[in-house]
Amino acid sequence: NAGVTQTPKFQVLKTGQSMTLQCAQDMNHEYMSWYRQDPGMGLRLIHYSVGAGITDQGEVPNGYNVSRSTTEDFPLRLLSAAPSQTSVYFCASPAVTLSNQPQHFGDGTRLSIL
Amino acid sequence: DQQVKQNSPSLSVQEGRISILNCDYTNSMFDYFLWYKKYPAEGPTFLISISSIKDKNEDGRFTVFLNKSAKHLSLHIVPSQPGDSAVYFCAARMNSGGYQKVTFGTGTKLQVIP
Repeated sequence: NAGVTQTPKFQVLKTGQSMTLQCAQDMNHEYMSWYRQDPGMGLRLIHYSVGAGITDQGEVPNGYNVSRSTTEDFPLRLLSAAPSQTSVYFCASPAVTLSNQPQHFGDGTRLSIL
Repeated sequence: DQQVKQNSPSLSVQEGRISILNCDYTNSMFDYFLWYKKYPAEGPTFLISISSIKDKNEDGRFTVFLNKSAKHLSLHIVPSQPGDSAVYFCAARMNSGGYQKVTFGTGTKLQVIP
């Protein structure tokens, strides 16, 4: 998916470990967001950002931290991974559909917590 | 509280026939609806959308119908092609707490049989 790059594509962690999922966009969008996709649950919003230095919580923010120091990057941090955080994570930009703009999604990070 | 529901987890259709994917919503504050298509190991990609002030939007083989009184929308694909085999997510947008929130359905896996 052009414009939104996520790394890594796959990751296995042990319970209690920390890691950062990276997301970068080159579309100069102010808005970025993180979703998780779980079987039977659709895509659920974790955190979003409306610009550099501004972030807010979505539906399922617990266990995750975010920061937005630049327009391009929006990393998602798991401080102490739990098995319940096993999921596929998608970064999207823009976070909101202003002017009826659709969201562009990255290809996802598949995360397994053992 | 699933505000956007896709009650059919899967659908199989013969190549050349019509595929109809359904979506129901409960919140009358939604003002814009979108369909996304997702292939395995990729992020969702925008397919087609419709404003709540319209009842139909067409783009090539894809048509979305909106029935506001029934809080129901559907995606028609005619004719269906094997490349259309994917998971389709319905999404609905509304203003919430100063930002536009997008809520996704759980997805319908479409298989087009050659």
